[in-house]
Amino acid sequence: NAGVTQTPKFQVLKTGQSMTLQCAQDMNHEYMSWYRQDPGMGLRLIHYSVGAGITDQGEVPNGYNVSRSTTEDFPLRLLSAAPSQTSVYFCASRSGEYYGYTFGSGTRLTVV
Amino acid sequence: TQLLEQSPQFLSIQEGENLTVYCNSSSVFSSLQWYRQEPGEGPVLLVTVVTGGEVKKLKRLTFQFGDARKDSSLHITAAQTGDTGLYLCAGRNTGFQKLVFGTGTRLLVSP
Repeated sequence: NAGVTQTPKFQVLKTGQSMTLQCAQDMNHEYMSWYRQDPGMGLRLIHYSVGAGITDQGEVPNGYNVSRSTTEDFPLRLLSAAPSQTSVYFCASRSGEYYGYTFGSGTRLTVV
Repeated sequence: TQLLEQSPQFLSIQEGENLTVYCNSSSVFSSLQWYRQEPGEGPVLLVTVVTGGEVKKLKRLTFQFGDARKDSSLHITAAQTGDTGLYLCAGRNTGFQKLVFGTGTRLLVSP
């Protein structure tokens, strides 16, 4: 089925470890974003991309890196995991400014 | 940072009741979207409103964009247990690629 695929679904990291959250979409959408969702804080934008080779920071970019080498893929890298990065991470894509986002099913990350 | 405040934060009602969820900001948005999220899943788009005063209906759900494009409301008529979930509003300004999400309203509809 077409959509946004995120892997892994669950992950436990130790403080200081690094990892990459994968995101792929097969809808040929130009716009892709990473959000984190924490209780009582809604969804906060980490990084976003308006096309291959173009990325920019959102509200909470510190501790995260992204790249967009292809239209389909938009991985999120945690450089040195901290307990404050314990959260649910969502990747989303859309085709145009007035179109809604299609979200992946999320990655639940725990940093101990 | 633009803020979108939703109220109420939590709502627990019986099946058949009506309810309204509010989304307010001090900022003007060029468009506003509503999403519903179920446990363990990502948000799913319900509607996009772009014109001040616009009203859109989706079966028992009625969405309204404020005249000044700073606020929106979601009204559910005769709620059903299937309406249970987290409702999120999200707004965007013209020329900006960022979509700002509200804090969410958690709705529980009991039989």
